[in-house]
Amino acid sequence: QKEVEQNSGPLSVPEGAIASLNCTYSDRGSQSFFWYRQYSGKSPELIMFIYSNGDKEDGRFTAQLNKASQYVSLLIRDSQPSDSATYLCAASPNNDMRFGAGTRLTVKP
Amino acid sequence: DAGITQSPRHKVTETGTPVTLRCHQTENHRYMYWYRQDPGHGLRLIHYSYGVKDTDKGEVSDGYSVSRSKTEDFLLTLESATSSQTSVYFCATGQGYTEAFFGQGTRLTVV
Repeated sequence: QKEVEQNSGPLSVPEGAIASLNCTYSDRGSQSFFWYRQYSGKSPELIMFIYSNGDKEDGRFTAQLNKASQYVSLLIRDSQPSDSATYLCAASPNNDMRFGAGTRLTVKP
Repeated sequence: DAGITQSPRHKVTETGTPVTLRCHQTENHRYMYWYRQDPGHGLRLIHYSYGVKDTDKGEVSDGYSVSRSKTEDFLLTLESATSSQTSVYFCATGQGYTEAFFGQGTRLTVV
């Protein structure tokens, strides 16, 4: 079992809709959680990080963390075609950083 | 953007030959990571370093070794390349428990 699991994609939403991306992790010692976006052929780039239980909002993005359920999610409001990319969830259990397999999101105009 | 440079950016090598990939950073980050990315697997951690000469194994370390003699450089070596090591390799740096910044990637093909 991978340490970080993401919901299988691909995910397709219409422009303006809310995209919901989910992730679970197995190591309860994980302290930090990250969402990265990766466009095809490019490097991953950080969207958000979250350390505490609850919600964290940044513009159109909201990260949610539930340590009891070992669950992390990312909501993208008012999705735009430019949000079409692969989204990678990561957890940091021991100063290393473990990633899920990624969820490919397509936002259709 | 963090100053992270990977070299080479592209390489084709033959099975059984040694290959070294280099990651150079100008951010003075303590932690450095090597990942490989393959379709359907996302990013998998190969090795990481938490200081000069301090390294540890990741999820897929077999067939790989690393060295870090200076804060700014982290080398990944494939002692005897195999076709299963054909992949895109990413270096990342960070301060631990915080976000990591990625280099541009190296596309390695083993024929």
